[in-house]
Amino acid sequence: ELKVEQNPLFLSMQEGKNYTIYCNYSTTSDRLYWYRQDPGKSLESLFVLLSNGAVKQEGRLMASLDTKARLSTLHITAAVHDLSATYFCAVDRDDKIIFGKGTRLHILP
Amino acid sequence: NAGVTQTPKFQVLKTGQSMTLQCAQDMNHNSMYWYRQDPGMGLRLIYYSASEGTTDKGEVPNGYNVSRLNKREFSLRLESAAPSQTSVYFCASRRASRGQPQHFGDGTRLSIL
Repeated sequence: ELKVEQNPLFLSMQEGKNYTIYCNYSTTSDRLYWYRQDPGKSLESLFVLLSNGAVKQEGRLMASLDTKARLSTLHITAAVHDLSATYFCAVDRDDKIIFGKGTRLHILP
Repeated sequence: NAGVTQTPKFQVLKTGQSMTLQCAQDMNHNSMYWYRQDPGMGLRLIYYSASEGTTDKGEVPNGYNVSRLNKREFSLRLESAAPSQTSVYFCASRRASRGQPQHFGDGTRLSIL
């Protein structure tokens, strides 16, 4: 059974600092997604990672995938307040897409 | 371009009542999904439909039924609502091609008293 674990679940950090969110999953997959959710809103797609070693970057966010370790990371560089949100990873196995519990990121000015 | 449309946006039910949540997409997507979101639990998959004519159970299917009415529409039914089903329900869709992200609706906030 596919399980997806994220950590930390809550992160409070200062503007300008760097940090990494981790996403571990339990069964073989080479399709992993990252989403962002603002309070009271729906989810929007950030990154799609489709192979071992895949790396995607958008602004201050960079996502990577290690399928052998069953691990994805979302790295935040020089955080700004606008990045405050909840971030989810999701793993795709034969069209069944399972989400982690999310990381609530709070960036202090 | 509406994307994924969910109706209603809000609903209050009494225990034991039944209800159908509607979802429609206009992007010609093959796959559709229903999730529930509860505080601290992330999104949990209830049911999904990889293509028109097929449905499969997700992580938490008990107490729910689904119908893939056609390629555009995927409904979720609560036959006898229980307070534990109080949640925000999200519908999502995506293309069948490998590795496509999901597009989400705005959600339905459902309270069961």
